Amino acid sequence: GAGVSQSPRYKVAKRGQDVALRCDPISGHVSLFWYQQALGQGPEFLTYFQNEAQLDKSGLPSDRFFAERPEGSVSTLKIQRTQQEDSAVYLCASSLMGRVADQPQHFGDGTRLSIL
Amino acid sequence: QKEVEQNSGPLSVPEGAIASLNCTYSDRGSQSFFWYRQYSGKSPELIMFIYSNGDKEDGRFTAQLNKASQYVSLLIRDSQPSDSATYLCAVKLKGAGNQFYFGTGTSLTVIP
Repeated sequence: GAGVSQSPRYKVAKRGQDVALRCDPISGHVSLFWYQQALGQGPEFLTYFQNEAQLDKSGLPSDRFFAERPEGSVSTLKIQRTQQEDSAVYLCASSLMGRVADQPQHFGDGTRLSIL
Repeated sequence: QKEVEQNSGPLSVPEGAIASLNCTYSDRGSQSFFWYRQYSGKSPELIMFIYSNGDKEDGRFTAQLNKASQYVSLLIRDSQPSDSATYLCAVKLKGAGNQFYFGTGTSLTVIP
């Protein structure tokens, strides 16, 4: 398909386990974003990549959260030592160009993470 | 104060009516404005974006931007039951990287 692809769609983990969430952006999209969406809330920004460079990670809630995009395409969001408050939907979005301000972001279906 | 504010609703309109969704933002440096529709359990889907003051129409949807008053609205004409969803307003600040600031969304129900 041509859209943003995320996997897994659902992830259940026990508190304290590490998890890894994958995002495959739209081909050719330079910018990639991770958002966290709690139930009944809008998406909250976590981090932003332009190609392989992580230009903004100001939204990552703690040092347990780590994201990478080593080849400027697929990205992985890793959460170490998960806590119950990490339970949320994690959305990935991509947009065409990094420096052009007005590009809309296109979202994947998200990964619903539940920490027991 | 949150950067982007929306009335969470729920907003109910009868089928065929006009639904009006509003969004206010706090930063006068905001430059780009986006409306997304999100069905329950699904990802946000882009409906429209607007950059300049005034109206922008696309089919049954019209986005209105008033930078002086710092609000952006979305009108849905001839509302259909399939329009029932949560509508998210997103704002991009000038010079703030490329992140979007989202409101909490307005839940719309179109009653057949």
